[in-house]
Amino acid sequence: QSALTQPPSASGSPGQSVTISCTGISSDVGGYNYVSWYQQHPGKAPKLMIYEVNKRPSGVPDRFSGSKSGNTASLTVSGLQAEDEADYYCNSYAGSSNWVFGGGTKLTVL
Amino acid sequence: QVQLQESGPGLVKPSQTLSLTCTVSGGSISSGSYYWSWIRQPAGKGLEWIGRIYTSGSTNYNPSLKSRVTISVDTSKNQFSLRLTSVTAADTAIYYCARSVWDFDLWGRGTLVTVSS
Repeated sequence: QSALTQPPSASGSPGQSVTISCTGISSDVGGYNYVSWYQQHPGKAPKLMIYEVNKRPSGVPDRFSGSKSGNTASLTVSGLQAEDEADYYCNSYAGSSNWVFGGGTKLTVL
Repeated sequence: QVQLQESGPGLVKPSQTLSLTCTVSGGSISSGSYYWSWIRQPAGKGLEWIGRIYTSGSTNYNPSLKSRVTISVDTSKNQFSLRLTSVTAADTAIYYCARSVWDFDLWGRGTLVTVSS
């Protein structure tokens, strides 16, 4: 299977909102509501930020939100803060007990 | 709280077998309806799902790695393990273990495995 497509980079100023896209196909992102998003700071393990398209685990700020339209999922970070600067990865169930990640997006807080 | 910790050799020779273990602490690997996954990340690159196991022993693997991967579980030790055969330099990566259902909600800190002679 192919990796999901994410923009390599995104940026925004403190307080602004930024949206990161994750494009797949009908047999992964478009076919299931099992899209998740992970935040990874340098040298650290990924952290689950959004699951099942738009649900937030306990402890994740409500500044993080997720959505999906067709074959594209999106992560929006509102009210950007310096600590949001990190790499973000999307993931989707791809059927047949298989999962696929996106290539990652480096979010810079200007 | 539940924590995961990877362990194993940090250096493997080409054509040999990579073996890693993930130890689950703070809870039983058999509690809840969780699967236990392996995920890897080459330096400076993205994440790749390798495969997963349920405590019954049922496994699922990434089709691109299926011919070389075996994941096993030892519930008595609260551990699950990864074996990757015939490794090449392309298998050099940080290897993470993670708890999963439809997403990966708990991760180990990762362990770097370098394939080199």
